[in-house]
Amino acid sequence: NAGVTQTPKFRVLKTGQSMTLLCAQDMNHEYMYWYRQDPGMGLRLIHYSVGEGTTAKGEVPDGYNVSRLKKQNFLLGLESAAPSQTSVYFCASTERTSGNNEQFFGPGTRLTVL
Amino acid sequence: RKEVEQDPGPFNVPEGATVAFNCTYSNSASQSFFWYRQDCRKEPKLLMSVYSSGNEDGRFTAQLNRASQYISLLIRDSKLSDSATYLCVVNIGNNRKLIWGLGTSLAVNP
Repeated sequence: NAGVTQTPKFRVLKTGQSMTLLCAQDMNHEYMYWYRQDPGMGLRLIHYSVGEGTTAKGEVPDGYNVSRLKKQNFLLGLESAAPSQTSVYFCASTERTSGNNEQFFGPGTRLTVL
Repeated sequence: RKEVEQDPGPFNVPEGATVAFNCTYSNSASQSFFWYRQDCRKEPKLLMSVYSSGNEDGRFTAQLNRASQYISLLIRDSKLSDSATYLCVVNIGNNRKLIWGLGTSLAVNP
C-alpha cells in the first residue's frame, strides 16, 4: 500500500514549457486535490475532484488544467509555465464518507520555472 | 482578514516544556477542525481532529471554542521530535475542501 505518490519529485522548466504532474493513490479514495505551497502563502487549493471524470476549480486555478480519467489518478497540467508557478505542489486524497476528513498527501513535487 | 489565522512563531522551547498554539477562524459556518503537522520539506500529516468537547491524544490536547471561533493545541512534555510546523485547518463545506492556516513553527531545543 503506497498511499499517495507523485511524479516527478523535482523538475526545472523554462518559461513557456509545458509539463504534467501525476498523482496516484491506491486507497480507493473518491476525492483528490492539488495544492501549491509557497513561503508566506500556505497551502492553496488549485483544483480538486470529487470522483472519476469530475473536476472543479479551487482557489488558484489559473494557468493549470487537470484531468481525472481514472479514479486512482489525478493529473495536473501546466500548458505554458511561468516563473510565478515556481512552487512545491502537493497532491492529496480523502475518502468520500470519511467523518474526519483526513487528507493523505503525496511527498510533493518541487518545480522551478526559469 | 484571513479565513484561518495563526501566530507564525517561531516558538523556541526547551525539552520538557509545555507549549500552546492558538488559531482563529472567520467563518462561523465552519464544520470541522484539525491540526496537521508538517516537517521541513515534507508533506503535511494529520496530527489530530478537534472535537467540540475537546480531545486528548497522549501529550497533545486540542480544544475548540465556537463562540470565540478559535481552536488551540497544547503540547506537554515537549520532545525534540515535536519540532515542526503545526497547521490549523478548517472545513467549511461538504466537498471535503479544507482551509489552511500558514502554520506555527515550533523548535524544541535540548
